[in-house]
Amino acid sequence: EVKLVEAGGGLVQPGGSLRLSCAASGFTFGSNWMHWVRQSPEKGLVWVSRIDNDGSSTDYADAVKGRFTISRDNAKNTLYLQMHSLRAEDTAVYFCARASYLYFGLDVWGQGTTVTVSS
Amino acid sequence: EIVLTQSPGTLSLSPGERATLSCRASQSVSITYLAWYQHKRGQAPRLLIYGASSRATGIPDRFRGSGSGTDFILTISRLEPEDFAVYYCQHHGNSIYTFGQGTKLEIK
Repeated sequence: EVKLVEAGGGLVQPGGSLRLSCAASGFTFGSNWMHWVRQSPEKGLVWVSRIDNDGSSTDYADAVKGRFTISRDNAKNTLYLQMHSLRAEDTAVYFCARASYLYFGLDVWGQGTTVTVSS
Repeated sequence: EIVLTQSPGTLSLSPGERATLSCRASQSVSITYLAWYQHKRGQAPRLLIYGASSRATGIPDRFRGSGSGTDFILTISRLEPEDFAVYYCQHHGNSIYTFGQGTKLEIK
Protein backbone atom coordinates (compact mmCIF):
# COMPACT_ATOMS: atom_id res chain seq x y z
CA GLU A 1 0.00 0.00 0.00
CA VAL A 2 1.29 3.43 -0.95
CA LYS A 3 1.32 5.55 2.19
CA LEU A 4 2.55 8.84 3.62
CA VAL A 5 2.52 9.45 7.37
CA GLU A 6 3.32 12.85 8.81
CA ALA A 7 4.63 13.45 12.32
CA GLY A 8 6.16 16.19 14.41
CA GLY A 9 3.32 18.65 14.77
CA GLY A 10 2.47 20.26 18.06
CA LEU A 11 2.13 23.46 20.04
CA VAL A 12 4.99 25.93 19.73
CA GLN A 13 5.44 29.53 20.84
CA PRO A 14 5.80 32.35 18.34
CA GLY A 15 9.40 32.55 17.20
CA GLY A 16 9.96 28.89 17.91
CA SER A 17 11.00 26.01 15.69
CA LEU A 18 9.58 22.65 14.73
CA ARG A 19 10.58 19.86 12.38
CA LEU A 20 7.94 17.87 10.57
CA SER A 21 8.62 14.51 9.02
CA CYS A 22 6.78 12.41 6.45
CA ALA A 23 7.46 8.69 6.26
CA ALA A 24 6.82 7.14 2.87
CA SER A 25 6.14 3.50 2.12
CA GLY A 26 4.84 1.32 -0.68
CA PHE A 27 6.68 3.07 -3.52
CA THR A 28 10.20 4.01 -4.62
CA PHE A 29 10.48 7.23 -2.64
CA GLY A 30 13.54 8.48 -4.50
CA SER A 31 11.67 8.54 -7.80
CA ASN A 32 9.19 11.28 -6.93
CA TRP A 33 9.26 14.97 -6.19
CA MET A 34 7.58 15.72 -2.87
CA HIS A 35 5.57 18.66 -1.56
CA TRP A 36 4.29 20.18 1.65
CA VAL A 37 0.84 21.77 1.62
CA ARG A 38 -0.96 23.32 4.56
CA GLN A 39 -4.51 24.19 5.51
CA SER A 40 -5.28 26.74 8.19
CA PRO A 41 -8.65 26.95 9.94
CA GLU A 42 -9.70 29.95 7.87
CA LYS A 43 -8.10 29.18 4.54
CA GLY A 44 -8.11 26.40 2.03
CA LEU A 45 -5.16 24.44 0.79
CA VAL A 46 -1.99 26.49 0.47
CA TRP A 47 1.15 25.19 -1.15
CA VAL A 48 4.25 25.50 1.04
CA SER A 49 7.26 23.88 -0.58
CA ARG A 50 8.53 21.19 -2.94
CA ILE A 51 11.73 19.24 -3.42
CA ASP A 52 12.94 17.26 -6.41
CA ASN A 53 13.67 13.56 -6.25
CA ASP A 54 17.31 13.78 -5.16
CA GLY A 55 17.02 16.91 -3.05
CA SER A 56 19.08 19.12 -5.34
CA SER A 57 16.28 21.57 -6.14
CA THR A 58 13.69 23.20 -3.89
CA ASP A 59 11.00 25.87 -4.10
CA TYR A 60 9.09 27.75 -1.42
CA ALA A 61 6.02 29.91 -1.13
CA ASP A 62 6.86 33.53 -0.40
CA ALA A 63 5.16 33.29 3.00
CA VAL A 64 7.73 30.76 4.27
CA LYS A 65 10.82 31.58 2.24
CA GLY A 66 13.84 32.06 4.47
CA ARG A 67 12.11 30.46 7.47
CA PHE A 68 11.29 26.93 6.30
CA THR A 69 13.61 24.33 4.78
CA ILE A 70 12.46 21.23 2.94
CA SER A 71 14.76 18.23 2.76
CA ARG A 72 14.65 14.49 2.24
CA ASP A 73 16.55 11.34 3.12
CA ASN A 74 15.94 8.82 0.38
CA ALA A 75 17.77 6.11 2.33
CA LYS A 76 15.20 6.52 5.12
CA ASN A 77 12.24 7.16 2.79
CA THR A 78 11.52 10.33 4.71
CA LEU A 79 10.65 13.92 3.83
CA TYR A 80 11.23 16.78 6.26
CA LEU A 81 10.12 20.35 6.81
CA GLN A 82 12.25 22.37 9.21
CA MET A 83 10.33 25.42 10.38
CA HIS A 84 11.93 28.38 12.16
CA SER A 85 10.68 31.78 13.34
CA LEU A 86 7.16 30.43 13.51
CA ARG A 87 4.25 32.87 13.47
CA ALA A 88 0.62 32.59 14.45
CA GLU A 89 -0.29 32.52 10.78
CA ASP A 90 1.73 29.33 10.33
CA THR A 91 -0.90 27.52 12.42
CA ALA A 92 -2.31 24.85 10.14
CA VAL A 93 -2.59 21.19 9.30
CA TYR A 94 0.49 20.30 7.27
CA PHE A 95 0.18 17.63 4.59
CA CYS A 96 2.97 15.96 2.68
CA ALA A 97 2.13 14.88 -0.83
CA ARG A 98 3.75 12.93 -3.62
CA ALA A 99 4.04 14.42 -7.07
CA SER A 100 3.27 12.00 -9.85
CA TYR A 101 6.20 11.54 -12.21
CA LEU A 102 3.80 10.86 -15.09
CA TYR A 103 1.82 14.08 -15.00
CA PHE A 104 1.36 17.24 -12.97
CA GLY A 105 -0.61 16.46 -9.87
CA LEU A 106 -0.18 15.45 -6.24
CA ASP A 107 -1.42 11.89 -6.38
CA VAL A 108 -0.75 10.62 -2.85
CA TRP A 109 -1.32 12.59 0.35
CA GLY A 110 -0.78 11.98 4.02
CA GLN A 111 -3.43 12.56 6.68
CA GLY A 112 -1.67 15.65 7.98
CA THR A 113 -0.07 16.82 11.21
CA THR A 114 -1.29 19.85 13.15
CA VAL A 115 0.98 22.76 14.00
CA THR A 116 -0.29 25.37 16.45
CA VAL A 117 1.72 28.53 17.03
CA SER A 118 0.51 30.26 20.15
CA SER A 119 1.79 31.69 23.40
CA GLU B 1 2.24 35.26 -10.11
CA ILE B 2 -0.89 33.56 -11.42
CA VAL B 3 -3.96 33.77 -9.22
CA LEU B 4 -6.70 31.14 -9.44
CA THR B 5 -10.20 32.32 -8.57
CA GLN B 6 -12.84 29.67 -7.95
CA SER B 7 -16.57 30.22 -8.09
CA PRO B 8 -18.97 29.94 -6.54
CA GLY B 9 -17.60 29.97 -3.02
CA THR B 10 -20.36 27.66 -1.89
CA LEU B 11 -22.66 25.54 -4.02
CA SER B 12 -25.80 24.01 -2.48
CA LEU B 13 -27.22 21.09 -4.44
CA SER B 14 -29.09 17.84 -3.87
CA PRO B 15 -27.88 14.32 -4.60
CA GLY B 16 -28.55 13.43 -8.21
CA GLU B 17 -28.11 17.00 -9.43
CA ARG B 18 -25.31 18.27 -11.65
CA ALA B 19 -22.55 20.44 -10.19
CA THR B 20 -20.52 22.92 -12.20
CA LEU B 21 -17.46 24.43 -10.52
CA SER B 22 -15.36 27.17 -12.09
CA CYS B 23 -11.66 28.01 -11.83
CA ARG B 24 -10.44 31.16 -13.53
CA ALA B 25 -6.74 32.00 -13.90
CA SER B 26 -5.47 35.58 -13.88
CA GLN B 27 -3.59 34.83 -17.11
CA SER B 28 -3.53 32.04 -19.64
CA VAL B 29 -2.07 28.79 -18.32
CA SER B 30 -1.03 25.50 -19.85
CA ILE B 31 -3.60 22.75 -19.45
CA THR B 32 -0.73 20.40 -18.65
CA TYR B 33 -0.36 22.08 -15.27
CA LEU B 34 -3.99 22.36 -14.17
CA ALA B 35 -5.31 19.89 -11.61
CA TRP B 36 -8.42 19.48 -9.43
CA TYR B 37 -8.63 18.01 -5.92
CA GLN B 38 -11.38 16.97 -3.55
CA HIS B 39 -10.95 17.51 0.18
CA LYS B 40 -13.15 16.29 2.99
CA ARG B 41 -12.64 17.54 6.52
CA GLY B 42 -10.27 15.36 8.50
CA GLN B 43 -9.15 13.41 5.43
CA ALA B 44 -6.30 13.57 2.98
CA PRO B 45 -7.04 15.56 -0.17
CA ARG B 46 -7.61 13.47 -3.28
CA LEU B 47 -6.43 14.17 -6.82
CA LEU B 48 -9.38 14.08 -9.21
CA ILE B 49 -8.21 15.58 -12.48
CA TYR B 50 -4.83 16.30 -14.04
CA GLY B 51 -3.97 17.96 -17.32
CA ALA B 52 -7.27 19.86 -17.01
CA SER B 53 -9.34 16.92 -18.27
CA SER B 54 -7.75 13.54 -17.43
CA ARG B 55 -9.21 11.58 -14.54
CA ALA B 56 -6.77 10.27 -11.95
CA THR B 57 -6.69 6.59 -11.11
CA GLY B 58 -9.93 5.33 -9.56
CA ILE B 59 -11.93 8.52 -10.12
CA PRO B 60 -15.50 7.82 -11.29
CA ASP B 61 -16.48 9.03 -14.73
CA ARG B 62 -19.14 11.34 -13.29
CA PHE B 63 -16.21 13.72 -12.65
CA ARG B 64 -15.22 15.65 -15.76
CA GLY B 65 -12.68 18.41 -16.22
CA SER B 66 -12.64 20.79 -19.13
CA GLY B 67 -11.35 24.17 -20.22
CA SER B 68 -8.33 25.96 -21.56
CA GLY B 69 -6.62 29.32 -21.45
CA THR B 70 -7.93 31.07 -18.36
CA ASP B 71 -11.23 29.23 -17.77
CA PHE B 72 -11.55 25.71 -16.40
CA ILE B 73 -14.57 23.74 -15.26
CA LEU B 74 -15.07 20.72 -13.03
CA THR B 75 -18.41 19.04 -13.66
CA ILE B 76 -19.92 16.34 -11.48
CA SER B 77 -22.72 14.88 -13.55
CA ARG B 78 -24.89 13.24 -10.87
CA LEU B 79 -24.00 14.03 -7.31
CA GLU B 80 -23.56 11.15 -4.92
CA PRO B 81 -23.69 11.69 -1.13
CA GLU B 82 -19.92 11.17 -0.90
CA ASP B 83 -19.23 14.01 -3.36
CA PHE B 84 -20.10 16.76 -0.91
CA ALA B 85 -16.72 18.27 -0.03
CA VAL B 86 -14.45 21.18 -0.87
CA TYR B 87 -12.92 21.27 -4.35
CA TYR B 88 -9.71 23.02 -5.33
CA CYS B 89 -8.01 23.74 -8.61
CA GLN B 90 -4.22 23.97 -8.71
CA HIS B 91 -1.71 25.32 -11.18
CA HIS B 92 2.04 25.02 -11.50
CA GLY B 93 4.10 27.72 -13.14
CA ASN B 94 7.44 29.49 -12.55
CA SER B 95 8.29 27.28 -9.58
CA ILE B 96 5.05 28.20 -7.82
CA TYR B 97 2.22 25.75 -7.18
CA THR B 98 -0.94 27.78 -6.64
CA PHE B 99 -4.27 26.56 -5.30
CA GLY B 100 -7.56 28.33 -5.82
CA GLN B 101 -9.45 29.30 -2.68
CA GLY B 102 -11.84 26.37 -3.03
CA THR B 103 -15.54 25.75 -3.68
CA LYS B 104 -17.54 24.14 -0.92
CA LEU B 105 -20.13 21.75 -2.30
CA GLU B 106 -22.82 21.28 0.33
CA ILE B 107 -26.05 19.32 0.54
CA LYS B 108 -29.14 21.44 -0.07
